[in-house]
Amino acid sequence: DTEVTQTPKHLVMGMTNKKSLKCEQHMGHRAMYWYKQKAKKPPELMFVYSYEKLSINESVPSRFSPECPNSSLLNLHLHALQPEDSALYLCASSQADSRNLNYGYTFGSGTRLTVV
Amino acid sequence: DAKTTQPPSMDCAEGRAANLPCNHSTISGNEYVYWYRQIHSQGPQYIIHGLKNNETNEMASLIITEDRKSSTLILPHATLRDTAVYYCIVRVQTGGFKTIFGAGTRLFVKA
Repeated sequence: DTEVTQTPKHLVMGMTNKKSLKCEQHMGHRAMYWYKQKAKKPPELMFVYSYEKLSINESVPSRFSPECPNSSLLNLHLHALQPEDSALYLCASSQADSRNLNYGYTFGSGTRLTVV
Repeated sequence: DAKTTQPPSMDCAEGRAANLPCNHSTISGNEYVYWYRQIHSQGPQYIIHGLKNNETNEMASLIITEDRKSSTLILPHATLRDTAVYYCIVRVQTGGFKTIFGAGTRLFVKA
């Protein structure tokens, strides 16, 4: 399995809703990432997990709450979002150290989120 | 991570080689050059990476200058399906660190 699977592919939520995005990989990667991408812009890093521990938070508002319950899963919990949070949310994974040949990040296809 | 500079857009005729340049003049000795591409509405796709030597795989070739301050991604025979945004990134090879995307180059392959 050489894929990162993200669910759902599309999500529409109200500003008072609570929802979660899910990301799963079975490549044995121990580093996982969340990116946010607005239309016609490059992906922006949000969070980095290394060996299931949060290692980087790029000053993301607390209405976004990441979780890494095990080495294959990464969740992004959403609460009280704003319309400007509407974007494509991308998950990626990679080897976490340099001992193995690193072919870069493997990205999922993303969840397209619309906040109404 | 070092910053990169790429032209915002380029055109290429189908069947011809597409040469996409990238400047990374502040690259550190332990930073690699990675290339990704993103086809509309999909996640970025890894293409190739290198440290000092030129690299080739089934998708592309990567040419890195001797001083490592710039590189060129070469798609030898561009097809319409190669129309995408191409991102050049420099970063350490170890995972679990930042990968910062610049603005990228929007490549249009025309019939």
